[in-house]
Amino acid sequence: DAKTTQPNSMESNEEEPVHLPCNHSTISGTDYIHWYRQLPSQGPEYVIHGLTSNVNNRMASLAIAEDRKSSTLILHRATLRDAAVYYCILRDVGGTSYGKLTFGQGTILTVHP
Amino acid sequence: KAGVTQTPRYLIKTRGQQVTLSCSPISGHRSVSWYQQTPGQGLQFLFEYFSETQRNKGNFPGRFSGRQFSNSRSEMNVSTLELGDSALYLCASSLGSRLVYEQYFGPGTRLTVT
Repeated sequence: DAKTTQPNSMESNEEEPVHLPCNHSTISGTDYIHWYRQLPSQGPEYVIHGLTSNVNNRMASLAIAEDRKSSTLILHRATLRDAAVYYCILRDVGGTSYGKLTFGQGTILTVHP
Repeated sequence: KAGVTQTPRYLIKTRGQQVTLSCSPISGHRSVSWYQQTPGQGLQFLFEYFSETQRNKGNFPGRFSGRQFSNSRSEMNVSTLELGDSALYLCASSLGSRLVYEQYFGPGTRLTVT
């Protein structure tokens, strides 16, 4: 599986935008970029995914670099509820990974009131 | 729509015993994946079942096994428990396509081995 690199931790203030970076320099053409987050004492939660184009949903936006070697998860207005561990994951849809997600260490996001 | 449910939520077992954990996926989902989460190793993939067949397997010893029933419910079994098996066991369900369908995780079963 292609590897991702994320900062260990980031901090933000409530109601400010948060940009969570992810580097994936060995990404292949069939790798989709997924983001999940895990709130304290809960299972991971799907946030967003994309292949090449920027993506938006009700939770966040995903900005993907033109060469696809990096991406940024954008939380437009952080709330206290967004404090979680955020995982950037590559999933090869051209292979046999199917339901397998390979989690790294993720980024611990702290949101200050 | 009901989410993924896992039973039991908490379990305490003794070394050498075996344990069975259960997962009920979201209705209509045919794929169930299992993960182990520990403070040291993070989230690690155990295996995935799709239509009652194991489709993918992680790097865990044979003491870890699973199965899936015709209604897509899944169980995982750990035999001859070791202290290091203490962890949060998470299951996730999805439609199971090769494409990009997201996975939905349950709350997990917290297993403590003493």
